[in-house]
Amino acid sequence: DAKTTQPPSMDCAEGRAANLPCNHSTISGNEYVYWYRQIHSQGPQYIIHGLKNNETNEMASLIITEDRKSSTLILPHATLRDTAVYYCIVRVTSSGSRLTFGEGTQLTVNP
Amino acid sequence: EPEVTQTPSHQVTQMGQEVILRCVPISNHLYFYWYRQILGQKVEFLVSFYNNEISEKSEIFDDQFSVERPDGSNFTLKIRSTKLEDSAMYFCASSEQSIGTGRNEQFFGPGTRLTVL
Repeated sequence: DAKTTQPPSMDCAEGRAANLPCNHSTISGNEYVYWYRQIHSQGPQYIIHGLKNNETNEMASLIITEDRKSSTLILPHATLRDTAVYYCIVRVTSSGSRLTFGEGTQLTVNP
Repeated sequence: EPEVTQTPSHQVTQMGQEVILRCVPISNHLYFYWYRQILGQKVEFLVSFYNNEISEKSEIFDDQFSVERPDGSNFTLKIRSTKLEDSAMYFCASSEQSIGTGRNEQFFGPGTRLTVL
């Protein structure tokens, strides 16, 4: 799996958009970008994933650059409950394959 | 919404004792996993399980660990002789089979906190 680089921490004001960057310059053509988050020692939670097109779901949007070497997770209207560690994971998707978690970004949403 | 459940939520044991951590994956899922997270450290993969056998394991998953699906609903992790360094949060996860969609999200349980004294 390709290595990812994320800032260790970020702050965001409640109600504003949170933009979390991830660099994955060694990503290969068949690898997807996944985002998970972990709220204070709870089990990690899937957010979104993409291959090369931008994706949106009820939780977030994922913007992947054209060269696929970086991506941004966008939480459009952050709430206090979005305070968590956010993990960007690049992997070949095959059934049963492991998730390799890095250090992630600690996002703190402030009132 | 279906979810992964784990029992117990907290297990305290003496060093050298055997422990069994239990998980009930989401019912139509076929792939099952165990991860652990030592306090203040990263989430680490231990093992994945499919079709009643281990499909992948990490270097952490040595002979002291075993997994089993004893019936149609439970998935267990056994640690044969616990060590102090086994103290951690253990997460179970499950996923369905992905067919060409790229979607292979793993659903995690709330975890079991294992404390070895």
